Amino acid sequence: SQQGEEDPQALSIQEGENATMNCSYKTSINNLQWYRQNSGRGLVHLILIRSNEREKHSGRLRVTLDTSKKSSSLLITASRAADTASYFCATDETGANNLFFGTGTRLTVIP
Amino acid sequence: GAGVSQSPRYKVTKRGQDVTLRCDPISSHATLYWYQQALGQGPEFLTYFNYEAQPDKSGLPSDRFSAERPEGSISTLTIQRTEQRDSAMYRCASSRDRAGDTQYFGPGTRLTVL
Repeated sequence: SQQGEEDPQALSIQEGENATMNCSYKTSINNLQWYRQNSGRGLVHLILIRSNEREKHSGRLRVTLDTSKKSSSLLITASRAADTASYFCATDETGANNLFFGTGTRLTVIP
Repeated sequence: GAGVSQSPRYKVTKRGQDVTLRCDPISSHATLYWYQQALGQGPEFLTYFNYEAQPDKSGLPSDRFSAERPEGSISTLTIQRTEQRDSAMYRCASSRDRAGDTQYFGPGTRLTVL
């Protein structure tokens, strides 16, 4: 079963705008990761945030984690058409052997 | 290798046939995972290997599904007596050590059972 739930399920924005996606999960975690999946391709790791971190940046990506609310957000700034993809959060659950993926947010960036 | 590779990329089979999917992980990675991904959903865990050991098979949906990694590198996922509900993308990933590490995914095998 899937651990995380992303919100919104789909998001459409103009190029240059910022995109924010949210992820909620249910149990305690060691870390939370965000992945991108382009149409017809594999998943690519974007960023990992540990349970003792609150915010992390990587290029145009900003991730926040609130363990008290069991939620995370991914912000993509100055979006580009090439950012069009599905974005998944994945949790490394305490005591588990695998990542639990959410249902994903489909982002469309209109040129 | 430079990345995770999977073969075949596409497989169409008739219901009742057996299929075997292959995954070649990054050569230095100890851990290998198999996921099943339905259209419009995130990947769901099937099983994983730590070298050749298979500590967790809990995600395999039935005893028709089995996986091997006999020499701790290449892995195969076999589905016996395929059913239409087995149609999905099957993804393999590898990581340097344990689940919490970054996982590197292969391109996947799209399985269609007619």
